[in-house]
Amino acid sequence: DAGITQSPRHKVTETGTPVTLRCHQTENHRYMYWYRQDPGHGLRLIHYSYGVKDTDKGEVSDGYSVSRSKTEDFLLTLESATSSQTSVYFCAISELAPPDTQYFGPGTRLTVL
Amino acid sequence: GEDVEQSLFLSVREGDSSVINCTYTDSSSTYLYWYKQEPGAGLQLLTYIFSNMDMKQDQRLTVLLNKKDKHLSLRIADTQTGDSAIYFCAEAPGDDKIIFGKGTRLHILP
Repeated sequence: DAGITQSPRHKVTETGTPVTLRCHQTENHRYMYWYRQDPGHGLRLIHYSYGVKDTDKGEVSDGYSVSRSKTEDFLLTLESATSSQTSVYFCAISELAPPDTQYFGPGTRLTVL
Repeated sequence: GEDVEQSLFLSVREGDSSVINCTYTDSSSTYLYWYKQEPGAGLQLLTYIFSNMDMKQDQRLTVLLNKKDKHLSLRIADTQTGDSAIYFCAEAPGDDKIIFGKGTRLHILP
C-alpha cells in the first residue's frame, strides 16, 4: 500500500469553527489531491497540488483552502465549517499528472453540527 | 461536460459472474479505471485500460471497452463474499483530473 496517512481519522466540530485536515505521504509523489465523498455524488475533487506551493481548484473548492509547504504534507482547511461540509474526505497522491494512477488514503470522517 | 455514469446497486449470487457497467462522455480519455472501495477504507485501484485496447484480463477481472459507445464494463468471475464493495469507474479526460462515477455497490447473495 502507498504510504499515505490522514489525520484526524474522525472529527466532530461545530458550525463556524475552523478545521484543518492533514494528509501525509512517504512516497515523495509530486501530485496530491483532496476529494470529498458524499452519498449520491460519488467522489468530487476539492483542490489539488502539483508541487510545493503549487495548488489549483477542483470542482467543489468553495469554502476550502489548501497549503503545501513540503512535498510530504497537504493540508485542507475549512475556514468556517458549515453543515454542508459534513462528509468523508480522502487524500490521494500520484507520481505524475493524470492519467497516472492515484493512490488513496484511508479517509477522514468529518461531522459539522 | 465531463461525466461518468454507473448504476448504483448490483446484487449477485455467490459464485456467479458480476458485470458492472459504466458510460463516460469524453472521447479523448486516454485511460479508464476501475477502483474498489471496501467499507471504511479509501479507494484502491483494481485495474485500468488504455483507450487503444478493447479488452484487458487480470485473473478473475475482465475489462471491456467500447469506444464507439463510450461504454466500459468490469466483469468479476466467480464472485466471492470478499468482492462485496463499492466499485468506481473513472476516466482521465486529459486536463490533469480524473473524473469518478458515483460508484456501484455490489452486494453478494449467499
